[in-house]
Amino acid sequence: DAGVIQSPRHEVTEMGQEVTLRCKPISGHNSLFWYRQTMMRGLELLIYFNNNVPIDDSGMPEDRFSAKMPNASFSTLKIQPSEPRDSAVYFCASSPGRKETQYFGPGTRLLVL
Amino acid sequence: DAKTTQPPSMDCAEGRAANLPCNHSTISGNEYVYWYRQIHSQGPQYIIHGLKNNETNEMASLIITEDRKSSTLILPHATLRDTAVYYCIVRPFSSGSARQLTFGSGTQLTVLP
Repeated sequence: DAGVIQSPRHEVTEMGQEVTLRCKPISGHNSLFWYRQTMMRGLELLIYFNNNVPIDDSGMPEDRFSAKMPNASFSTLKIQPSEPRDSAVYFCASSPGRKETQYFGPGTRLLVL
Repeated sequence: DAKTTQPPSMDCAEGRAANLPCNHSTISGNEYVYWYRQIHSQGPQYIIHGLKNNETNEMASLIITEDRKSSTLILPHATLRDTAVYYCIVRPFSSGSARQLTFGSGTQLTVLP
């Protein structure tokens, strides 16, 4: 069982650049969640999808952030343009849907200079 | 979702039981208690959940008081690898689509050799 796969694991970029984070959920899971973790704010939900449809994006900080889930096995979180305050660890999680357990990926550590 | 209160930190000797408390005095009848943990630099990991009966699995036991206003997560024989931040989360169980998790600040458990 491969678990939730995220890429890249680390990303260093300069302010103003576009950043794309990728997530492959566990096969058969129909819910996918994007979280962000910082020292100041802890773990926060950004957006989640059920059956590839965005359900709640109220946690997305602003228009610079966008997320897509074109199919059941892939999702992206894009930041354009990136800013230093976006530096954080971004986690993707998936869930079987009718069960509440969420399985988290290893995270992407983003540093925006 | 009901608010939870956890001590910010706890120590436990290796091989001893670790008892992590959580107060959720405003819990409502349809809300479950979930426990996750986050080992440093990893994604959160599901441990256990319950409604009103005590629960046990291969990782831990969950004891919920009769009035459901508090609970205790028990790691029966703590090891150094159990050092992590432990999150107690209270939320309704959804029989339909999945819902997000709201993480508080958790308890930093340090298992001492």
